[in-house]
Amino acid sequence: DTGVSQDPRHKITKRGQNVTFRCDPISEHNRLYWYRQTLGQGPEFLTYFQNEAQLEKSRLLSDRFSAERPKGSFSTLEIQRTEQGDSAMYLCASSPRWEARGVNYEQYFGPGTRLTVT
Amino acid sequence: QKEVEQNSGPLSVPEGAIASLNCTYSDRVSQSFFWYRQYSGKSPELIMSIYSNGDKEDGRFTAQLNKASQYVSLLIRDSQPSDSATYLCAVKSGSARQLTFGSGTQLTVLP
Repeated sequence: DTGVSQDPRHKITKRGQNVTFRCDPISEHNRLYWYRQTLGQGPEFLTYFQNEAQLEKSRLLSDRFSAERPKGSFSTLEIQRTEQGDSAMYLCASSPRWEARGVNYEQYFGPGTRLTVT
Repeated sequence: QKEVEQNSGPLSVPEGAIASLNCTYSDRVSQSFFWYRQYSGKSPELIMSIYSNGDKEDGRFTAQLNKASQYVSLLIRDSQPSDSATYLCAVKSGSARQLTFGSGTQLTVLP
């Protein structure tokens, strides 16, 4: 089990540029989540995929944000026309399928992508 | 009112003591509760999950859940300096798939 991976780990960009982040979940996990975390706060939910279907999006996810998971494996999060307020740690998490005798909602986080918009 | 509330701390305990971290939540239909540990500059790491009222122990960690009082806590026994981190409480509510996090409690274990 190699864990959740994210790329890049750090990104510095100028205001107005577009950025794209990649997340590779744990291989047998079919559920994938994106969160954003700013200093001193807990992670805030952005969006959720079950397999390739994007089932939930937060109101935080403005029109400048888009996420995909085209084959139900890795996911990408794109931010268009970045703003200084987009500076944050972007976290990806994955969780396994429902277990036969119960529900397992444990989410495992990747190392995150730290975005700095100058 | 925030959905998940934690004391921000900082909480300082001496090495070997019991650290007690508390969390309250507002949604009565919440059903799954998690504690994550986050070292500075790193991502959250899952340390405990609890789904039923009562205590759940895992090594030096004990999670306690009281759904009637909408309260969940984490006890760390024999605290070590390596336990110094921010501890995040997370709650899954109702039919939502995502977790709602508190702002975290910063714990410092003094050698």
